[in-house]
Amino acid sequence: NAGVTQTPKFRILKIGQSMTLQCTQDMNHNYMYWYRQDPGMGLKLIYYSVGAGITDKGEVPNGYNVSRSTTEDFPLRLELAAPSQTSVYFCASSETGQVYEQYFGPGTRLTVT
Amino acid sequence: KNEVEQSPQNLTAQEGEFITINCSYSVGISALHWLQQHPGGGIVSLFMLSSGKKKHGRLIATINIQEKHSSLHITASHPRDSAVYICAVDERGADGLTFGKGTHLIIQP
Repeated sequence: NAGVTQTPKFRILKIGQSMTLQCTQDMNHNYMYWYRQDPGMGLKLIYYSVGAGITDKGEVPNGYNVSRSTTEDFPLRLELAAPSQTSVYFCASSETGQVYEQYFGPGTRLTVT
Repeated sequence: KNEVEQSPQNLTAQEGEFITINCSYSVGISALHWLQQHPGGGIVSLFMLSSGKKKHGRLIATINIQEKHSSLHITASHPRDSAVYICAVDERGADGLTFGKGTHLIIQP
């Protein structure tokens, strides 16, 4: 099993550009999450999904959109990138929502200039 | 909203020392996770616990639900243990984890 994979690993965007961060898991997990990690701060939840077709906002959803058309894939869309979105983004998955281990992808380091 | 506090923020120790990292939280939880993040960024789950104590190799994690406190211990520390250790909690009724800011551990040879 590859686990949770993310692409790209690194990306530099100009202000106002858009991009999609890809996340795929091959463990047939129902729950998937997007977190961002800023220097000196704990990871914060952006969006999560409890299954295909179902998504919900986390703590910091502004400026982002997600979709979940399949169990495996959970892409994160950035529209009109802003410098405040410079961060490291982690995708994670778990079998269910609580009391289950979360498996993290390797992360995407995004810089918006 | 749960407040997750870790201490210390930074810790430098000599190889072989016994290491303790602490985590406290403010609201009742379903489970507490200890995660490890190496330079280069990947995050790996070390433990998930809701009561008592777990041990894996040289790592031991304990939790006291009444005191809302957990500790991660590393015995016979080694330079390869150098990493950021992150405490995160599964809050009852919430989705997604709430994270502490992490403890940056350096083990010198």
